[in-house]
Amino acid sequence: DTAVSQTPKYLVTQMGNDKSIKCEQNLGHDTMYWYKQDSKKFLKIMFSYNNKELIINETVPNRFSPKSPDKAHLNLHINSLELGDSAVYFCASSQGDSHQETQYFGPGTRLLVL
Amino acid sequence: KQEVTQIPAALSVPEGENLVLNCSFTDSAIYNLQWFRQDPGKGLTSLLLIQSSQREQTSGRLNASLDKSSGRSTLYIAASQPGDSATYLCAVRPGYQLTFGKGTKLSVIP
Repeated sequence: DTAVSQTPKYLVTQMGNDKSIKCEQNLGHDTMYWYKQDSKKFLKIMFSYNNKELIINETVPNRFSPKSPDKAHLNLHINSLELGDSAVYFCASSQGDSHQETQYFGPGTRLLVL
Repeated sequence: KQEVTQIPAALSVPEGENLVLNCSFTDSAIYNLQWFRQDPGKGLTSLLLIQSSQREQTSGRLNASLDKSSGRSTLYIAASQPGDSATYLCAVRPGYQLTFGKGTKLSVIP
């Protein structure tokens, strides 16, 4: 069974569109994250979310918004897509928000904006 | 601002060799350091997690060390195998998030 899953695996879309990426974890974890890996291969945190708190990296444009219908899901909505949004987006989860927790990553969603 | 650097960016070794991957970070105020493996088209797999109070962790052929005061960590891989070929990422946790290096791309030649 896949611990952290993401859909779709690949996403090709036009500039200006609105799209969503779904993430689900079956580990019973309380905290979920979204990371972006750009063309230079740097992985950077976008959001951290648990049932108590949403922490947003200040560099993330407000066109990006996480939505959590329940504890096992954290979806990423992107409005008015831009060319620079092309990247690989990784979802991750951890048991809690303790600094000692290991984070488990999904397979990534490769987004290409044309 | 925390920065993580990994050297070398790429490494190619013959099968069976022992090797060391290096990671350095600029701010020693971290909670832990984690080594990941990334395979092409796949997600990240956590290999080892070292808490700030620990000096090393071992898992099978892998051994990771942490010298927090000097801002360094190494990942030692013994008796390398072609299946070890992947990109290895080092990440530190200064707060709620992980701060990653750019990785070392390892190729193990049969």
